[in-house]
Amino acid sequence: NAGVTQTPKFQVLKTGQSMTLQCAQDMNHEYMSWYRQDPGMGLRLIHYSVGAGITDQGEVPNGYNVSRSTTEDFPLRLLSAAPSQTSVYFCASSPGQVDTGELFFGEGSRLTVL
Amino acid sequence: DQQVKQNSPSLSVQEGRISILNCDYTNSMFDYFLWYKKYPAEGPTFLISISSIKDKNEDGRFTVFLNKSAKHLSLHIVPSQPGDSAVYFCAAKEGGTYKYIFGTGTRLKVLA
Repeated sequence: NAGVTQTPKFQVLKTGQSMTLQCAQDMNHEYMSWYRQDPGMGLRLIHYSVGAGITDQGEVPNGYNVSRSTTEDFPLRLLSAAPSQTSVYFCASSPGQVDTGELFFGEGSRLTVL
Repeated sequence: DQQVKQNSPSLSVQEGRISILNCDYTNSMFDYFLWYKKYPAEGPTFLISISSIKDKNEDGRFTVFLNKSAKHLSLHIVPSQPGDSAVYFCAAKEGGTYKYIFGTGTRLKVLA
């Protein structure tokens, strides 16, 4: 039972470098999203997608790009990393049917930007 | 402008007693409310949820109460156990969307 898989788990970048955080789910969920967790700030929504080819901005989208070419994958791209993007990033998915409204989370990716 | 607020950063409770975690929201368009539990170095895990058309939902030791007029919800854990020690996040879903907004979390410590 893989669920939601995030890679890498840890990454250190220099300011200005680019990278992609990968997220894959094997539950055929329509909805996927990215959050960042910072001390005292809780979980803040970056971008989300309600299906392949459909994405939208969350609360803190600046500096991040996403695309959804398949149902399974939802990568998060940092084009030019900044120290303010040092955070723990979580990917989540949901079947899109609101019986419980449950989101399934990955284990997180810790990113440090120097 | 936080739409979902958890005003208590931390809470300590004796084992066996009730833990009450609180959450306030500002957006009347939220139609679903959820509670998540998070241990260090792990992703959040779903605990319990409630639709905006209900005022109470119970699952074992966990009960969520919703007061729409006050825009307030609470999570009751009875009895509290040491294994319940974690950070608890309140979340709300905007109606007609799959956009979930989370609060800042409350760290619960259950003392043995």
